[in-house]
Amino acid sequence: EIVLTQSPGTLSLSPGERATLSCRASQSVSSNYLAWYQQKPGQAPRLLIYGASSRATGIPDRFSGSGSGTDFTLTISRLEPEDFALYYCQQWGTFGQGTNLEI
Amino acid sequence: EVQLLESGGGLVQPGGSLRLSCAASGFAFSNYAMSWVRQAPGKGLEWVSVIGAGGTPIYYADSVKGRFTITRDKSENTVYLQMSSLRAEDTAVYYCAKQLPGVRIFDYWGQGTLVTVSS
Repeated sequence: EIVLTQSPGTLSLSPGERATLSCRASQSVSSNYLAWYQQKPGQAPRLLIYGASSRATGIPDRFSGSGSGTDFTLTISRLEPEDFALYYCQQWGTFGQGTNLEI
Repeated sequence: EVQLLESGGGLVQPGGSLRLSCAASGFAFSNYAMSWVRQAPGKGLEWVSVIGAGGTPIYYADSVKGRFTITRDKSENTVYLQMSSLRAEDTAVYYCAKQLPGVRIFDYWGQGTLVTVSS
């Protein structure tokens, strides 16, 4: 079973800064199956990135995904106040434990 | 507009049963696989089960295999999760989610329904 490890657990940044979130798989995975989600308190997750690098419908271009094999990255180029939330990576039936992006 | 509306959650005693429903609208329901994903209080996301567009294939997480059953009704545009032999560790918000074609990636989610297993 593949394990996804996200780092850091908590990332403290300010609006306007760049955020880099990491997702590492315990074995090589297909980029086609790698996704990133954003979740705010009391809300359902929202799909941001699929296929490791494709933005979902309506997602601003400040969000970008990259990576292959075992190492994947979600980058938020210039943080907006509404971007502070929990972020999860996912590969098939497995989710990472999440990164809390806080102000 | 895609909408997924879960219902059926509530308080149930350990060993009890509950059936969750997810009513879908705004897309061609019969063309997409659907999954249930849960989130225990204060915890991360856990995929629970998937049902293919036509009703097969069906898969379950090991943690619920043999206790949960997923079905879908194309005439009602609804997916169900029948849960039995419930345990305290099944306490969670249960989300239904629409999948992108061919991959287990969820492009739309419902608002979730809370299941609490407690005596």
